[in-house]
Parts: sequence; C-alpha cells; structure tokens
Amino acid sequence: DIVMTQGALPNPVPSGESASITCQSSKSLLYSDGKTYLNWYLQRPGQSPQLLIYWMSTRASGVSDRFSGSGSGTDFTLKISRVEAEDVGVYYCQQFLEFPLTFGSGTKLEIK
Amino acid sequence: EVQLVESGGGLVQPGRSMKLSCAASGFTFNNYDMAWVCQAPKKGLEWVATISYDGSSTYYRDSVKGRFTISRDNAKSTLYLQMDSLRSEDTATYYCARQADYGYNYWGQGVMVTVSS
Repeated sequence: DIVMTQGALPNPVPSGESASITCQSSKSLLYSDGKTYLNWYLQRPGQSPQLLIYWMSTRASGVSDRFSGSGSGTDFTLKISRVEAEDVGVYYCQQFLEFPLTFGSGTKLEIK
Repeated sequence: EVQLVESGGGLVQPGRSMKLSCAASGFTFNNYDMAWVCQAPKKGLEWVATISYDGSSTYYRDSVKGRFTISRDNAKSTLYLQMDSLRSEDTATYYCARQADYGYNYWGQGVMVTVSS
C-alpha cells in the first residue's frame, strides 16, 4: 500500500499570513500519462470533506486561487496564501494512483 | 445541483449486519464510479470501497474484504454498502462520494455507524 505522510503546521497561523502543508508518498504518484495523482481535501469542522486540488496542482471548481499545489513525484506541498477564518479545518492529501486509495493522517489549520 | 444523501446508519451489535444507502441526484448516476469513505471518531479518512459506473468492477480495502459488499442500482440512482460481521473497529461515519477520474468531487453528509453491544 502507498503510505502518505503529512507534516504539521506551526499553529495557530496569523490571519493574512501564508501556510504550507507538506505531504510525502512512499511511491511516485507520477503516472505514464504525465499526471501526478495527488489530491488535497479540506474538511471544515462538522462538515464533509471537499476536493481542493487534484493532479497535484489543478484547482477544483470553485476553489479560491489562494490555494495552490506543487511538488514532485513523491513530495508535495499545499500552499494557502493570505489565510482566512474560513480556511480552518483539517487538510488531507490522498493518492489516487492505485488501490487501495490512501489518505494522509491530516493536518490541522488554526487561525490566530 | 449534485446531491448525495446517505441513510441506514445507527447502532448495531458486533457480528450483526447493516446496509447503508446513498441516494444520488442532480447528475447522470450511471456515468460515474462511486465510493464509500469512512472516518472513525476523531480520526482521519479511510477509503472503504469503490464500484465502477456499471457495477462490473468492485474494489475493497483489505480490512473489509469478505465482510462488506458495495453495489448499485442505476435505475434508482442509489449506491449501497452491505456490511456483515460488523466489528467495533467499523464504528465510523460513512460517506458516499462521487468518484471522478481525478478524485472525489462530491460527498454526502455522512451517516454514523456505531458497532457496540
């Protein structure tokens, strides 16, 4: 199984500052079609998860351009620019390359 | 508007069975693979199972193979999860999700399953 390892944030993050969340996979998520099958989700308190980023760097429909994804085949970063109160929650990375599909353990973002 | 509405959760004794349903609307159900994802209390997300758009292929995480069955009724736009031989570690909120080629772009509100005597 592909293991996804997420880093922690130095919470709380001051409002208006940037925050970067890291994620590492135990296997390259770069597929032969040239796409990297790494997703980012946000789960706000009391809500269902929502897709933020797919194919490592493509924003999902309706997602603010303050969210950006980058990385290589095994090391990934979600950057949140100018954090706001609505960004509070737990962020999960997920590999979508092969079954079993696996998530990271989550990274909590708190705002000051 | 895409909607996924789960039902069928509740309290069940260890070793017993429970069947979850997910009613889909707002999109052409039989065009999409569907999935179940669970979240134990205060824990992270875990993929449970996926079914292809036509029901011909199914995939499961190891811990539920042989105990859980994912299925769908495209005529009713409904996804199911039959859970047998339930264990305390199956206690979780279960989400149904629409699976696009790149990820889960729509999620239901979740349904709680508690396995306890």
